[in-house]
Amino acid sequence: EAGVTQSPTHLIKTRGQQATLRCSPISGHTSVYWYQQALGLGLQFLLWYDEGEERNRGNFPPRFSGRQFPNYSSELNVNALELEDSALYLCASSLGDRGSSPLHFGNGTRLTVT
Amino acid sequence: KNEVEQSPQNLTAQEGEFITINCSYSVGISALHWLQQHPGGGIVSLFMLSSGKKKHGRLIATINIQEKHSSLHITASHPRDSAVYICAVPSGGSNYKLTFGKGTLLTVNP
Repeated sequence: EAGVTQSPTHLIKTRGQQATLRCSPISGHTSVYWYQQALGLGLQFLLWYDEGEERNRGNFPPRFSGRQFPNYSSELNVNALELEDSALYLCASSLGDRGSSPLHFGNGTRLTVT
Repeated sequence: KNEVEQSPQNLTAQEGEFITINCSYSVGISALHWLQQHPGGGIVSLFMLSSGKKKHGRLIATINIQEKHSSLHITASHPRDSAVYICAVPSGGSNYKLTFGKGTLLTVNP
């Protein structure tokens, strides 16, 4: 069984540009979660998608957005990049949001904003 | 918002030692997660538990719902256990909208 895959592994952008990060969940998983791990801030919840809809978002500005496609893969877009957006962005998937199914994480995309 | 406190922040042990990492949270929860992050960033979900105790190999996780406290134990520690261990709890609206502890950096020396 293929795990959660994220692309690209590394991304370097300039301040003000847009970044697009991609995530493919484990086959059969309908829920996708995005988390940010910035240096000094630890892991923070960003977004949750389920069945193509945004279900919840963390305390992030609207320039962080995304979507989930019919095949349950997901895209995270960060507009008007700022230096402090430099972080490891992790995607995770689960069978659903209820019950006790474990989270499965991808290896992350390391975004560097210069 | 749920506050999550982990202790210790750093832990150095000799191979074979018994390890305990603690996690406290402020608001009642439905389940608690223990995660392992290796250098390079990859995260593995170790446990998701809502009561009692769970065991997987040399790892044991316990939770006391009344005291809002959980512990992660590693028996017969090994250098390959060296990693950051993170406790996380749901913060409302989703089992996976998580508030994370700052993590415990474990180093096991041979």
